[in-house]
Amino acid sequence: EAQVTQNPRYLITVTGKKLTVTCSQNMNHEYMSWYRQDPGLGLRQIYYSMNVEVTDKGDVPEGYKVSRKEKRNFPLILESPSPNQTSLYFCASSLSRTGTGELFFGEGSRLTVL
Amino acid sequence: GENVEQHPSTLSVQEGDSAVIKCTYSDSASNYFPWYKQELGKGPQLIIDIRSNVGEKKDQRIAVTLNKTAKHFSLHITETQPEDSAVYFCAASSTGLDSNYQLIWGAGTKLIIKP
Repeated sequence: EAQVTQNPRYLITVTGKKLTVTCSQNMNHEYMSWYRQDPGLGLRQIYYSMNVEVTDKGDVPEGYKVSRKEKRNFPLILESPSPNQTSLYFCASSLSRTGTGELFFGEGSRLTVL
Repeated sequence: GENVEQHPSTLSVQEGDSAVIKCTYSDSASNYFPWYKQELGKGPQLIIDIRSNVGEKKDQRIAVTLNKTAKHFSLHITETQPEDSAVYFCAASSTGLDSNYQLIWGAGTKLIIKP
């Protein structure tokens, strides 16, 4: 089954404790992206990648890191989480290298930073 | 840069009636306009999209219209059903030479279908 898989789905952590949210897709998509969703703000892009070893900042990259060492995986790293990073996070992938085609989203990862 | 505004934030309609959600965008170079539906506890899913060389596109009960002059586009859902209850997002992007192609999203509309 074609899918984007995120882990963990739910996480409660404390300020400053490094964490990684994994994202994996099995559709051989070139393009992957991370978003955060906050009430009233819609989806805001954190980072995106159009190819292996190629990553670019989105609209809200501060406090986040990503890597794209292989085509299928695109982990999101919070080196020192803060309470303002409490949010619902989505990973997405697309067959379109630029992301201007259908995006396939994971089921989301709800992160709470205390 | 691009800015997308979406209205209303909440829309409640009687089952069987039509629903219309509107979005405006600021960048005249935008040429790709998708609509996504997000059901509770899930990620958004593409339901329809339109490109700037087309004024209207239909798929069964849903349709999208685009007015490039006014820089707005709308989602129309006819004969609404309980399963249409969800949050709907519009987005816009440009594929021009100076663009980074990335989608800019509206804030979302919560559609409630009353039985």
